[in-house]
Amino acid sequence: GAVVSQHPSRVICKSGTSVKIECRSLDFQATTMFWYRQFPKQSLMLMATSNEGSKATYEQGVEKDKFLINHASLTLSTLTVTSAHPEDSSFYICSAPTRRTNTEAFFGQGTRLTVV
Amino acid sequence: KQEVTQIPAALSVPEGENLVLNCSFTDSAIYNLQWFRQDPGKGLTSLLLIQSSQREQTSGRLNASLDKSSGRSTLYIAASQPGDSATYLCALSDLQGAQKLVFGQGTRLTINP
Repeated sequence: GAVVSQHPSRVICKSGTSVKIECRSLDFQATTMFWYRQFPKQSLMLMATSNEGSKATYEQGVEKDKFLINHASLTLSTLTVTSAHPEDSSFYICSAPTRRTNTEAFFGQGTRLTVV
Repeated sequence: KQEVTQIPAALSVPEGENLVLNCSFTDSAIYNLQWFRQDPGKGLTSLLLIQSSQREQTSGRLNASLDKSSGRSTLYIAASQPGDSATYLCALSDLQGAQKLVFGQGTRLTINP
């Protein structure tokens, strides 16, 4: 299957700092990628849609100035959590579609963010 | 707005048993339904994808069914093994966003040796 790589897998940062998470499609081009967030014992919730060469589309309730998304190439999308606070601690995971399959979604390994 | 519910939230069974996980959804206008497996602290592994025009899909010991009219899907696991222990998530994509998924809360499955 298609491979989506996410980095880092774990990060601990101090409150007030910014953290960048990368999502790469390794063997295919992805004009669109999706970013999800999962709080403990809850399901995944879509945060935003990353579009190559244009602005990201954010879901209702997600602060676009806090969660900066950049999709500068066909294989890389980045999510930057700016001025992180403890309540931003969560599991962040990206997915990318591939046209080779029947719209099956492939996910990265996820990033566990802890803000202290 | 699509809502996805998975029952039960947790399930513990002895090794070797056959089991069924349930997923229900409120809006039948879906593009496809996908079942995932998530191990603790890990990403998602795609198990089965059912297109809206299909009724079921099978892979090894797994069989997933889809009944759009009743808003239900089931994941059947045959001859369960301890390695099947994980959280199982179902997710739907709607007609507009074929890759934008709405997830259920998951069923945490434990297979006891």
